[in-house]
Amino acid sequence: GAVVSQHPSRVICKSGTSVKIECRSLDFQATTMFWYRQFPKQSLMLMATSNEGSKATYEQGVEKDKFLINHASLTLSTLTVTSAHPEDSSFYICSARAGTGGSWEQYFGPGTRLTVT
Amino acid sequence: DQQVKQNSPSLSVQEGRISILNCDYTNSMFDYFLWYKKYPAEGPTFLISISSIKDKNEDGRFTVFLNKSAKHLSLHIVPSQPGDSAVYFCAASEPGANNLFFGTGTRLTVIP
Repeated sequence: GAVVSQHPSRVICKSGTSVKIECRSLDFQATTMFWYRQFPKQSLMLMATSNEGSKATYEQGVEKDKFLINHASLTLSTLTVTSAHPEDSSFYICSARAGTGGSWEQYFGPGTRLTVT
Repeated sequence: DQQVKQNSPSLSVQEGRISILNCDYTNSMFDYFLWYKKYPAEGPTFLISISSIKDKNEDGRFTVFLNKSAKHLSLHIVPSQPGDSAVYFCAASEPGANNLFFGTGTRLTVIP
């Protein structure tokens, strides 16, 4: 099956610093990548959708200047949390979709646990 | 506004018995429904799905039932195995939409 990796798997950073999370599709080309956030005991909340070579589409309530998304190639998308604060601590998960398949053809990465101290 | 709801945060079942996980939704535009399984510190993995034109889809030990009039779907696992212990999310999508709407998850524990 299709494999999506994320790096790092967990990161601890100080308040005010920026953190970059990478999402890679390892064996397929992802025309669309999604970034989700999950708080403890809560659902996965879609943050943004990114298509290769174009600007990301952010969901309502998500600050695009704080959560910078770059989808520069068909196999790599990055999420940068700028000027991180403790409330940004969460589990961030990316998913990737190949071609123009239906929404079910999303393959999820293993997630990144971000802790801001 | 949570459009997909899983009202049971946890469920415990004896090995070999049936596990039934429930999911309700409010958006009548949803036309595709999915179940994902998630282990701690891992991303969700796709389990089974169903289109709104069907009311049942079966794959091995897993069966998903859809009741459109009640806006309810359920996942049946039979027989349940200890390896099934995980958090199960239901998700739904609208026609032509990119994104999925997830429920809050149900933690299934299968007791050996």
